[in-house]
Amino acid sequence: DQQVKQNSPSLSVQEGRISILNCDYTNSMFDYFLWYKKYPAEGPTFLISISSIKDKNEDGRFTVFLNKSAKHLSLHIVPSQPGDSAVYFCAAQQTGANNLFFGTGTRLTVIP
Amino acid sequence: GAVVSQHPSWVICKSGTSVKIECRSLDFQATTMFWYRQFPKQSLMLMATSNEGSKATYEQGVEKDKFLINHASLTLSTLTVTSAHPEDSSFYICSAPENLAVSYNEQFFGPGTRLTVL
Repeated sequence: DQQVKQNSPSLSVQEGRISILNCDYTNSMFDYFLWYKKYPAEGPTFLISISSIKDKNEDGRFTVFLNKSAKHLSLHIVPSQPGDSAVYFCAAQQTGANNLFFGTGTRLTVIP
Repeated sequence: GAVVSQHPSWVICKSGTSVKIECRSLDFQATTMFWYRQFPKQSLMLMATSNEGSKATYEQGVEKDKFLINHASLTLSTLTVTSAHPEDSSFYICSAPENLAVSYNEQFFGPGTRLTVL
């Protein structure tokens, strides 16, 4: 039972434009959400996170939006750069638990 | 950020043999480490939680006798795949939170180990 879902397996965006990666979750107990970036043959690296008490968190070119009522979050990258090309995983966590539930990932390709 | 290493990065073994994968926290102590597995085109799935000085906690459906976990020190956890079979071929990744005292914390992941069982 996949509690965190990323329905778009891939996304291609022109350099300089905005990349929007989406993530949905089913467990209403999740209250902390993270985005990880992963290059081939490497482990995921942390990108940005958001607590359920917020609806937006921004860090440079990366912004994560959270819509709790829709159980939906999105990652915006603007402007997109070729170096952003990677697989992006969203993950969710619940208070008191350290394990993360991951989505299946979205492969982002930024075209120069 | 904190650094987690894994060894080996890539291993091929014959069916029926055992393979040991090491996960080390290089610049911090990790009383807890997590072991994940990723099959092609699927998400990372938590296999077990490794606890220093005590038994590991396994997720439902993960055979504890097949995937032996030892967390002998604050910087090292090992995962041994015993009597490996081709269906065990996967990408195994460990992670460690730097500070468990914080309610929410980002986990630092190792680079992963690609296991291929022939």
